[in-house]
Amino acid sequence: AQSVTQPDIHITVSEGASLELRCNYSYGATPYLFWYVQSPGQGLQLLLKYFSGDTLVQGIKGFEAEFKRSQSSFNLRKPSVHWSDAAEYFCAVGTQGGSEKLVFGKGTKLTVNP
Amino acid sequence: GAGVSQSPRYKVAKRGQDVALRCDPISGHVSLFWYQQALGQGPEFLTYFQNEAQLDKSGLPSDRFFAERPEGSVSTLKIQRTQQEDSAVYLCASSFTTDIAASTDTQYFGPGTRLTVL
Repeated sequence: AQSVTQPDIHITVSEGASLELRCNYSYGATPYLFWYVQSPGQGLQLLLKYFSGDTLVQGIKGFEAEFKRSQSSFNLRKPSVHWSDAAEYFCAVGTQGGSEKLVFGKGTKLTVNP
Repeated sequence: GAGVSQSPRYKVAKRGQDVALRCDPISGHVSLFWYQQALGQGPEFLTYFQNEAQLDKSGLPSDRFFAERPEGSVSTLKIQRTQQEDSAVYLCASSFTTDIAASTDTQYFGPGTRLTVL
């Protein structure tokens, strides 16, 4: 069965610092990978997604993620964090054939210090 | 344009009561998903509709959970005889296509309904 692991429950960074959020997945076939962000009281917003091709994916709000098949990872990065990036971040793998559902990790809460 | 909307945003129920949660997907979206997000956890899949057909209900935790989408647009998730373990945020998502591999396919999420069972 598909699964996603986000090893860091909570990360704190200073504003302007770089950020990397880790994500490891388990899926037998070619994975479809997603990063979503959830602010308090808000729905999930898609940051970026990977289907195939270039392993470095650019997303919204200055985020990028790199797919590494050998490490089963899809880490999210941002070179300079803004206070408004404080939120919870979820990595997900999409399944194909059937319901096209998403399997999510447990999330990483990001705190940004001024 | 309008996104996915859900109502009510908050629901408090006494244990044993029945509740109904509504989802209005983006107009024209074929696929509709329900997820359950417990406190401190990621969303977990409950069920999936393609138009009015419920193609996957493998994530529904018990037969107390029932979902429908009779006209292929609005969907309702019903929970009968609510239990404390049903307390969670229930998220609805919709997408235009039925192919997650399509580059244009994105699941758009609503703000969720926070259910608290006392």
